[in-house]
Amino acid sequence: DAKTTQPPSMDCAEGRAANLPCNHSTISGNEYVYWYRQIHSQGPQYIIHGLKNNETNEMASLIITEDRKSSTLILPHATLRDTAVYYCIVRASRAGGTSYGKLTFGQGTILTVHP
Amino acid sequence: DTAVSQTPKYLVTQMGNDKSIKCEQNLGHDTMYWYKQDSKKFLKIMFSYNNKELIINETVPNRFSPKSPDKAHLNLHINSLELGDSAVYFCASSPHDRGSYNSPLHFGNGTRLTVT
Repeated sequence: DAKTTQPPSMDCAEGRAANLPCNHSTISGNEYVYWYRQIHSQGPQYIIHGLKNNETNEMASLIITEDRKSSTLILPHATLRDTAVYYCIVRASRAGGTSYGKLTFGQGTILTVHP
Repeated sequence: DTAVSQTPKYLVTQMGNDKSIKCEQNLGHDTMYWYKQDSKKFLKIMFSYNNKELIINETVPNRFSPKSPDKAHLNLHINSLELGDSAVYFCASSPHDRGSYNSPLHFGNGTRLTVT
């Protein structure tokens, strides 16, 4: 799976949009971009994923550049409860059986939402 | 109505002991996993099971033995515990989509193991 690069930390004011960038310049054609987050003392939580097109769900939006070498996770109205470590992961959509379910987590971005 | 539940939440034990961590999921998923988060917060996969069959074993010492009595349970047994085994262990599950690997993983809230 391709490596990702994220800023180690970001701040955001409550109620404002949080835009978390991720670089994945070596992503290949069959690899999806996934975002998970980990709130303190909890397990990782799935947020969203996409291949080429922008995606939106009830939690967030995912913007993927046309060349797919980078993406941005957008939390449209950040709340204090969104303070967490956010992980950007690229993962092959089809792989050998020995890779199934294997998520390669980096260090992520620590997002701090302040009042 | 917890989706993926692990017990115990905290486990403190001495070197050399044998201990088990239990995991259960009520999501009807076919695939279950164990991940380990070390002191530097890196999360790494240890094992995955699909319908009670081992799929992934990421060069984990054979002191670690996963056991899947049925597809809703994946327990982790650790023999001869060492100081370096201290970590947070996360269980996860996902549906098994044939030919595709897009299903998100659902994680439990972890078991913090401390070996003294």
